[in-house]
Amino acid sequence: DQQVKQNSPSLSVQEGRISILNCDYTNSMFDYFLWYKKYPAEGPTFLISISSIKDKNEDGRFTVFLNKSAKHLSLHIVPSQPGDSAVYFCAASALGGATNKLIFGTGTLLAVQP
Amino acid sequence: DTEVTQTPKHLVMGMTNKKSLKCEQHMGHRAMYWYKQKAKKPPELMFVYSYEKLSINESVPSRFSPECPNSSLLNLHLHALQPEDSALYLCASSVGSGRASNIQYFGAGTRLSVL
Repeated sequence: DQQVKQNSPSLSVQEGRISILNCDYTNSMFDYFLWYKKYPAEGPTFLISISSIKDKNEDGRFTVFLNKSAKHLSLHIVPSQPGDSAVYFCAASALGGATNKLIFGTGTLLAVQP
Repeated sequence: DTEVTQTPKHLVMGMTNKKSLKCEQHMGHRAMYWYKQKAKKPPELMFVYSYEKLSINESVPSRFSPECPNSSLLNLHLHALQPEDSALYLCASSVGSGRASNIQYFGAGTRLSVL
């Protein structure tokens, strides 16, 4: 049972335009959400996060939006750059006992075309 | 500095071999994690160490044996693995493990092939 889903396996965007990556979750106990970027042969790199008490968090070109009622979050990248081409994972965090656990989505491969 | 260092980068082993994966961080983090990632799949949690004590084992087979000798080091000892254990093994660390907001920082991983 996939608790965190990214329904778009891939996304192609022109350089300079906006990239929107989506993520849905099913568990209402998740209270913190993160986005990671992953290049081939590297580990995931933390990008941006948001607490469940907020609906928006912005860091430079990256903005994450959270809609708790819809159990949906999205990552906006604007303007998109060719170096943004990578797999993007959304992850949800909840305390499992006394230890927080990250549950990852299946990932979206973003290709930014020059 | 958010660097987590994993060695080796690549490992090929037979099903009767014993090998170890190593992970190191010098950020003063007190929680360390092992994940397994198969091709085109998300990372899956295996183990969590908090203050050098094992706090989560996600029902991982005993042929994987974690060890946390000190707060900076995390090892994963491998013995009698199966070909289906071939995967990318990722290590991560965070300041602590008791808050959902503790961000995990990942190493580059060890690509393991079991023949």
